[in-house]
Amino acid sequence: DTGVSQDPRHKITKRGQNVTFRCDPISEHNRLYWYRQTLGQGPEFLTYFQNEAQLEKSRLLSDRFSAERPKGSFSTLEIQRTEQGDSAMYLCASSSGLAGGSDTQYFGPGTRLTVL
Amino acid sequence: AQSVTQPDIHITVSEGASLELRCNYSYGATPYLFWYVQSPGQGLQLLLKYFSGDTLVQGIKGFEAEFKRSQSSFNLRKPSVHWSDAAEYFCAVVHYSGGGADGLTFGKGTHLIIQP
Repeated sequence: DTGVSQDPRHKITKRGQNVTFRCDPISEHNRLYWYRQTLGQGPEFLTYFQNEAQLEKSRLLSDRFSAERPKGSFSTLEIQRTEQGDSAMYLCASSSGLAGGSDTQYFGPGTRLTVL
Repeated sequence: AQSVTQPDIHITVSEGASLELRCNYSYGATPYLFWYVQSPGQGLQLLLKYFSGDTLVQGIKGFEAEFKRSQSSFNLRKPSVHWSDAAEYFCAVVHYSGGGADGLTFGKGTHLIIQP
């Protein structure tokens, strides 16, 4: 069990550019979640996948955001036409999906995005 | 909608003293509740969780939390803190949509400072 990994750890981009982040969940975990955390706040839920199906999206996930999990393993989160307000830590988490609401979500170290 | 309130933004405790971090939730039914800790440069780590049964829950690193339905609270406690406990602590509740259990709704966090 190598834990949840995220790549890159840091990303600096200019406003208007597109960025893509990758998350590798714990092996055999069915559920994968994306959160966003801004300075001084708790993480905010963005979206989650059950295997390859995206089951829920927060209203925080604007049309510029898209997430995929094509083979039910790793996931990508893309932000198009980045804005300064997108600067945040993007966290990925995974869970087994076996225990429903009481499942433990295991978090990765996050990708810190800075939009200049 | 579910929500979590952590009334204390910062708490300062002397090393060796006891600790209590407050968490209040808003949810109609029995909630699934979690406490996570986030150290600088580290991912979120689960301390403990409550989903049913005994209302006093034991976690890692000597932490415990008590679920009190009448007060809608899930306060985190530790009898004697160590300097290594300095971190950001987040209380969270499972979020439900029409499709079932989704992600977590987090509080804004409590920043714990340990005085020598």
